[in-house]
Amino acid sequence: QSVLTQPPSVSAAPGQKVTISCSGSSSNIGNNYVSWYQQLPGTAPKLLIYDNNKRPSGIPDRFSGSKSGTSATLGITGLQTGDEADYYCGTWDSSLSAGPVFGGGTKLTVL
Amino acid sequence: QLQLQESGPGLVKPSETLSLTCTVSGGSISSSSYYWGWIRQPPGKGLEWIGSIYYSGSTYYNPSLKSRVTISVDTSKNQFSLKLSSVTAADTAVYYCARERRGYSYVIYNWFDPWGQGTLVTVSS
Repeated sequence: QSVLTQPPSVSAAPGQKVTISCSGSSSNIGNNYVSWYQQLPGTAPKLLIYDNNKRPSGIPDRFSGSKSGTSATLGITGLQTGDEADYYCGTWDSSLSAGPVFGGGTKLTVL
Repeated sequence: QLQLQESGPGLVKPSETLSLTCTVSGGSISSSSYYWGWIRQPPGKGLEWIGSIYYSGSTYYNPSLKSRVTISVDTSKNQFSLKLSSVTAADTAVYYCARERRGYSYVIYNWFDPWGQGTLVTVSS
């Protein structure tokens, strides 16, 4: 059972837009920054978004992040077949079990 | 370009200790801006943070694993290591090492980048 809740799967057609949600609480998302990771099949996770909405160098602006209250959202526009991957949200949890936490992951299928 | 590479046995017997090393290249592990972490991913499942270390040797661990985890650093070799004791089949996973950025600016910011390629460790007799 992950601390952060993500939908198990989402799907959309090439060229379309998709959003992936990440729900938490006041001890994590509500009071700390959120990051997002892309894990292509058989590879290690790769940082997509940090500090809620910032993109590392080399990440296209088709990827965006936002946060409101205790939830965060990853948006991907102009979907490509190469975007098929698992996506994970992450943040810091400030509860008694303080430390980094992740969502359970969302499988994106580009139909 | 910073790169991380995990190494260690791919098979560990139940009740024994899992030992992995992460070698950092293209940058110094002694950077004051970063921690160095271990994260694992059981087959077909999500990510679980195991613990992290600062170059000075300061550590912090996932409370659910704390009693079995030891992370150490060797700055002379630009490496950090993970030991997980008393392993069971539930510890079978791909183990990743990663550079961790963590700090405080009114809120806590925390992310992992880059990651090593990962190494599969199977616990089986």
